[in-house]
Amino acid sequence: DVKVTQSSRYLVKRTGEKVFLECVQDMDHENMFWYRQDPGLGLRLIYFSYDVKMKEKGDIPEGYSVSREKKERFSLILESASTNQTSMYLCASSRRWGGGSANEKLFFGSGTQLSVL
Amino acid sequence: GESVGLHLPTLSVQEGDNSIINCAYSNSASDYFIWYKQESGKGPQFIIDIRSNMDKRQGQRVTVLLNKTVKHLSLQIAATQPGDSAVYFCAENRRENAGNMLTFGGGTRLMVKP
Repeated sequence: DVKVTQSSRYLVKRTGEKVFLECVQDMDHENMFWYRQDPGLGLRLIYFSYDVKMKEKGDIPEGYSVSREKKERFSLILESASTNQTSMYLCASSRRWGGGSANEKLFFGSGTQLSVL
Repeated sequence: GESVGLHLPTLSVQEGDNSIINCAYSNSASDYFIWYKQESGKGPQFIIDIRSNMDKRQGQRVTVLLNKTVKHLSLQIAATQPGDSAVYFCAENRRENAGNMLTFGGGTRLMVKP
């Protein structure tokens, strides 16, 4: 089975701190994603990457950046954390889009609950 | 703007009954839809998907129905069990750039009463 591992289950940070959220997948997937999940809003895409060193903005990239130096690792960076970034952050991966349903299935990590005080 | 949304935020059903979770979408260009299940403390897990050239797809105890005319998607769970208690998300796939971009609905919480 695909395993997507997020380094921390819970994080508490202070306003203005630089925050790193790490994600590793073990299935050689090309695509990796960062979502944030807020009650009633579902999952909103922050950034995604379809290859090493490539990144694309999602729907809500403001206040975030990402890094993909290795295929298996995708990091989300909050340059200066703010209280409105308190949320559950979900990392996901998938095979390269090829038109088949199996290639489009996202595999999620268990999430990191970030609290910014 | 275009969005995917759910009609009911919470659904409570009796164990053994069938459950139906509904989802409305507005992006007529979306051609692929997915249902995810998220249990407490876990990330969403894939349940079933359907392409726009189909109107029904069945899995193990689950069926997804797609009505493109009214832009409506539903997830039917047969003989609902306590283990089905979770938040269910529908998502539509819009193809942009070289990857997948899923737009998720707000989620429906399914509560199964013993």
